[in-house]
Amino acid sequence: ILNVEQSPQSLHVQEGDSTNFTCSFPSSNFYALHWYRWETAKSPEALFVMTLNGDEKKKGRISATLNTKEGYSYLYIKGSQPEDSATYLCARGEAGTALIFGKGTTLSVSS
Amino acid sequence: DTGVSQDPRHKITKRGQNVTFRCDPISEHNRLYWYRQTLGQGPEFLTYFQNEAQLEKSRLLSNRFSAERPKGSFSTLEIQRTEQGDSAMYLCASSLDKLGSPLHFGNGTRLTVT
Repeated sequence: ILNVEQSPQSLHVQEGDSTNFTCSFPSSNFYALHWYRWETAKSPEALFVMTLNGDEKKKGRISATLNTKEGYSYLYIKGSQPEDSATYLCARGEAGTALIFGKGTTLSVSS
Repeated sequence: DTGVSQDPRHKITKRGQNVTFRCDPISEHNRLYWYRQTLGQGPEFLTYFQNEAQLEKSRLLSNRFSAERPKGSFSTLEIQRTEQGDSAMYLCASSLDKLGSPLHFGNGTRLTVT
């Protein structure tokens, strides 16, 4: 069983703060790393899919990096806003298998 | 593209009863996944299909659980003889069979077993 670990489990920041989360995963047989945002009462929404070591992706104030050799990915949020409050999930995949998710990092942003 | 839809949104059942959930994926997606999520946990993989073929099934899935995707379109997940431990959010997702394709999730079915 593959273990995808996310830290911290939860985080509370003030509006305007920048923050980052970590996703750690087994580096062997790596195929893809996904990040999702899950807001309360909604379905998880894809943020990024990364497949290559050194990949960096950006969407507005949110960005992510990937290190497949050491088995980690970082998600960064610059200038957090209350609407960024959500649970952020990462998931790792091997070729031909389903994604395995971490437990998520729950972010709360106060205005 | 109307997204992934799941039915019902909520289901309350008594222990020992059978329940069936339905998932309609995005029409051009050939992969369909079922996950289960309980409080404080991330989505836990149950099973997935490529077209009508069930390619992988979690070893954590007991023989009370069965899933089908008869024509490679919608899928059903059945739980027989429900137990209180089956109470969870059941999520369906679909994707293209292509490297880099994200999962598109439905809103889930919330099951409560009393």
